[in-house]
Amino acid sequence: AQSVAQPEDQVNVAEGNPLTVKCTYSVSGNPYLFWYVQYPNRGLQFLLKYITGDNLVKGSYGFEAEFNKSQTSFHLKKPSALVSDSALYFCAVRDTIKAAGNKLTFGGGTRVLVKP
Amino acid sequence: DTEVTQTPKHLVMGMTNKKSLKCEQHMGHRAMYWYKQKAKKPPELMFVYSYEKLSINESVPSRFSPECPNSSLLNLHLHALQPEDSALYLCASSQLPRGRNTEAFFGQGTRLTVV
Repeated sequence: AQSVAQPEDQVNVAEGNPLTVKCTYSVSGNPYLFWYVQYPNRGLQFLLKYITGDNLVKGSYGFEAEFNKSQTSFHLKKPSALVSDSALYFCAVRDTIKAAGNKLTFGGGTRVLVKP
Repeated sequence: DTEVTQTPKHLVMGMTNKKSLKCEQHMGHRAMYWYKQKAKKPPELMFVYSYEKLSINESVPSRFSPECPNSSLLNLHLHALQPEDSALYLCASSQLPRGRNTEAFFGQGTRLTVV
């Protein structure tokens, strides 16, 4: 079965400093990986995805993620964090059942707190 | 338009009530999903519809009954729920798994409280 793990429950960072949210994956076959962000009492917003191709993926709101096959990691990064980036971040892996849609399996989530 | 709209935003229901959650998308997606999310936990898949047909049921109790009346709408009918069913219910949609555009788009969710 496909799975992702987020080893940190919470990440604290000062505004203006680099932000990294960690994710490792376990898949059979090629990984289809995603990052989503969730603000309080809101749905999930798509940030970026890795399907194939470049190992550095750029996404929304200045976020990017680095796919590392040898380390089975897909860490989310932002060069300079903003207070408004404070939210819950989920890494997810897609399990494809042909003609049955995408089954997303989420990591446990990492709460990011950016302090002014 | 990359919007998935869910109604209502909040719902309080008694254990003997019957209610429905509604979800709508106009992105032409042919896969639609219901997820359940408890506080501070990741979303858990409940159902997947593909071409308006139920394709995945993650062993969800029968007190939850999904319905997909057409390619834009997805309902979740609720009956005889338990307090532990209180959660944020998220609807999502996506293209079917062909090509690169496979990300799911989520609605804002319905916050359900069962009393």
